[in-house]
Amino acid sequence: KAGVTQTPRYLIKTRGQQVTLSCSPISGHRSVSWYQQTPGQGLQFLFEYFSETQRNKGNFPGRFSGRQFSNSRSEMNVSTLELGDSALYLCASSLGDITDTQYFGPGTRLTVL
Amino acid sequence: AQSVTQLDSQVPVFEEAPVELRCNYSSSVSVYLFWYVQYPNQGLQLLLKYLSGSTLVKGINGFEAEFNKSQTSFHLRKPSVHISDTAEYFCAVSDDLRSSASKIIFGSGTRLSIRP
Repeated sequence: KAGVTQTPRYLIKTRGQQVTLSCSPISGHRSVSWYQQTPGQGLQFLFEYFSETQRNKGNFPGRFSGRQFSNSRSEMNVSTLELGDSALYLCASSLGDITDTQYFGPGTRLTVL
Repeated sequence: AQSVTQLDSQVPVFEEAPVELRCNYSSSVSVYLFWYVQYPNQGLQLLLKYLSGSTLVKGINGFEAEFNKSQTSFHLRKPSVHISDTAEYFCAVSDDLRSSASKIIFGSGTRLSIRP
């Protein structure tokens, strides 16, 4: 069974640009969650999508948005990039219940110059 | 708001020695507790989780953790570590017990380094 895949693995952008990150969950998983990992703030929950609907959201500004497609693949978009958005962005998939194990992808390393 | 405190940012241990990584959470309500491991340049992998039942939880790679409700702790232990255990370990908690959510709060992480 293939694991969670994230593309691209590395990305360099400049301030003010926008970026889209992609996450393909494990086959059969309907929940995709996104996390931001930085040395200063640690791991922070961004949002979760389940069956194409956002059902949980963290404390991030509206510049961070996402969506989920009918095949459960998810994209995360960050508009008007800031230097502080430089981070490792991780996605995780699960069957959808809190008791289900979340499986993480390797992450996308975003650098904003 | 729920929070998780990992008391040690770094733990150096000699190979084959026992190790304990400490974790405390701040909730008086029922919670789910997790330990994740992150190897260099990789995503997170679940080591173990406590949902209910026995307070001693066994996970992968020989790790175990004990849920202590009175002390609001969930410390991770391994009786004998190996070089391959070198990684960062994250304690996490969720107090959202609805079946329709998966929001998890992570601790700041403990870097475990194994010395030969």
